[in-house]
Amino acid sequence: DAGVIQSPRHEVTEMGQEVTLRCKPISGHNSLFWYRQTMMRGLELLIYFNNNVPIDDSGMPEDRFSAKMPNASFSTLKIQPSEPRDSAVYFCASTLGLAGYEQYFGPGTRLTVT
Amino acid sequence: GENVEQHPSTLSVQEGDSAVIKCTYSDSASNYFPWYKQELGKRPQLIIDIRSNVGEKKDQRIAVTLNKTAKHFSLHITETQPEDSAVYFCAAINSGGSNYKLTFGKGTLLTVNP
Repeated sequence: DAGVIQSPRHEVTEMGQEVTLRCKPISGHNSLFWYRQTMMRGLELLIYFNNNVPIDDSGMPEDRFSAKMPNASFSTLKIQPSEPRDSAVYFCASTLGLAGYEQYFGPGTRLTVT
Repeated sequence: GENVEQHPSTLSVQEGDSAVIKCTYSDSASNYFPWYKQELGKRPQLIIDIRSNVGEKKDQRIAVTLNKTAKHFSLHITETQPEDSAVYFCAAINSGGSNYKLTFGKGTLLTVNP
């Protein structure tokens, strides 16, 4: 298996632009998590899905952030409009089941908003 | 919700020495405690985990101990090597609950000096 796949790996954009991050979970995994990592705040859970259904989006910082999972093999995290404080590494992780199982992280997307 | 505190934030040891990282958690219902290692520029990866029905688990040079009464758990690395240098994250979750959020500590930057 190729593991969790994320694209793009790096994204540089100007403030106000729309940003879309993409994730393909490991085949057979039914739970997907979006995290944001910064030096100041560490690893923050933004939202997670189980069987393509959003379960908890309480970590989404603002209405500018939205996430979808239209099918079991694809998820997107969208920021519109982007702001410099959104600059971070965004990780997608997947797991079989919801809790008590290893979360497999993707390589991350490094987002820079200027 | 769960709160995980991790100490120290940075740790520097000489090659061959032992390293200990400690975490405390707040939710007594938490019963699954994984540890993730993140090398510079890489994704977090699970290195060891422990469930609440055991007090200690070992895997070669790494071990984790759990004290449910005191609500703390620790990572022990013996005979440290330069390749152990990374950021280590502890985490906690109630695997039988309805909230499947894995709560991470802030991380410990371990530096092993040759």
